[in-house]
Amino acid sequence: GAGVSQSPSNKVTEKGKDVELRCDPISGHTALYWYRQRLGQGLEFLIYFQGNSAPDKSGLPSDRFSAERTGESVSTLTIQRTQQEDSAVYLCASSLAGLAGVDTQYFGPGTRLTVL
Amino acid sequence: DQQVKQNSPSLSVQEGRISILNCDYTNSMFDYFLWYKKYPAEGPTFLISISSIKDKNEDGRFTVFLNKSAKHLSLHIVPSQPGDSAVYFCAAWGGDKIIFGKGTRLHILP
Repeated sequence: GAGVSQSPSNKVTEKGKDVELRCDPISGHTALYWYRQRLGQGLEFLIYFQGNSAPDKSGLPSDRFSAERTGESVSTLTIQRTQQEDSAVYLCASSLAGLAGVDTQYFGPGTRLTVL
Repeated sequence: DQQVKQNSPSLSVQEGRISILNCDYTNSMFDYFLWYKKYPAEGPTFLISISSIKDKNEDGRFTVFLNKSAKHLSLHIVPSQPGDSAVYFCAAWGGDKIIFGKGTRLHILP
């Protein structure tokens, strides 16, 4: 079956512009995660959606970042007034039940964001 | 303050030998630990995990060891193969959050 997909695969934007990144999880997966990886750094957890529960937003780096998910489907990560430090690969993952370790997370290919 | 640390940014191992990747953590509330593997231009792939109630978990060539008193875990790959060359991330689950280390780049030498 289809895996996690993300779009766009690459995004180049000017500083100060808003960008929207999209993630389509595996059908039936109730949990969805956003991460980012900046050059030379490890994976950074951003936000986690589990079913219809309120998401854990504590990993979002600033109030310029927001994410939405409708039900158990598509999620969008929005970055407003982008800064150069936002340049990174943004990764989305989904899992069946949202229990890390018990439940495998499947990652998408990522969106490479470059802020000029 | 890094709660999950992988102190070796890179490691080179001869093909066929054992690769040992190390990870230290600071938060005793972590109750699940995971290892991910990442190739360039691809998303991370889950490799193996271990619950804090165990001290060892084995899956084929991969074994993870957990020493809770030392807050240390390690991933052993034996025998190492060329396809194992990748970046390996250690991660710890606490509550609803996964915290990742910065990764160790493993080079398998022919």
